[in-house]
Amino acid sequence: DAGVTQSPTHLIKTRGQQVTLRCSPKSGHDTVSWYQQALGQEPQFIFQYYEEEERQRGNFPDRFSGHQFPNYSSELNVNALLLGDSALYLCASSLAGGGAEAFFGQGTRLTVV
Amino acid sequence: RKEVEQDPGPFNVPEGATVAFNCTYSNSASQSFFWYRQDCRKEPKLLMSVYSSGNEDGRFTAQLNRASQYISLLIRDSKLSDSATYLCVVNAPRSSTLGRLYFGRGTQLTVWP
Repeated sequence: DAGVTQSPTHLIKTRGQQVTLRCSPKSGHDTVSWYQQALGQEPQFIFQYYEEEERQRGNFPDRFSGHQFPNYSSELNVNALLLGDSALYLCASSLAGGGAEAFFGQGTRLTVV
Repeated sequence: RKEVEQDPGPFNVPEGATVAFNCTYSNSASQSFFWYRQDCRKEPKLLMSVYSSGNEDGRFTAQLNRASQYISLLIRDSKLSDSATYLCVVNAPRSSTLGRLYFGRGTQLTVWP
């Protein structure tokens, strides 16, 4: 049973560029949430997708957008990259219904130079 | 006020010691509670869910006090491999019945030989 998989694992981008990160949820899960984790900080909630719609959003600008596909996989897009966007981006999958355990992918480490 | 308050430590203990972590949460409608373990530059991994009756998994014991909105994790007979950051995580409904995870800042544990 495959767990949560993310790609790529590492990425280096230049300021102003755009990036797309990908996530495949754990088998049987239908909800995907994305988090940004800066070094030494806890994960910060970006947004959550369920039934191909953004259901909740954290305090992130519109430069951060996403998508969920019919197979429940998801993408996170970040436009106009800033140096401050450098972080570990984590995808978590869970089963809708509230209170469910969430499982994380290994993350994508994004460095903006 | 943060949704989840957690003592950041660090805790430095010798092998074999017993160590306890605590956290509090602010939303009384919170539905489920977890402890995650995060190794340096890795993704958070679910250590255990926390139930009102308390639950134990080997050397780890977790307890929840809903009246006080307080969660604890006890590690007995600490091992070198227990060195990590322990994240207190709460799943609470907000704008969506799906709920979402709220993280404490994490408590850093170092077990020394």
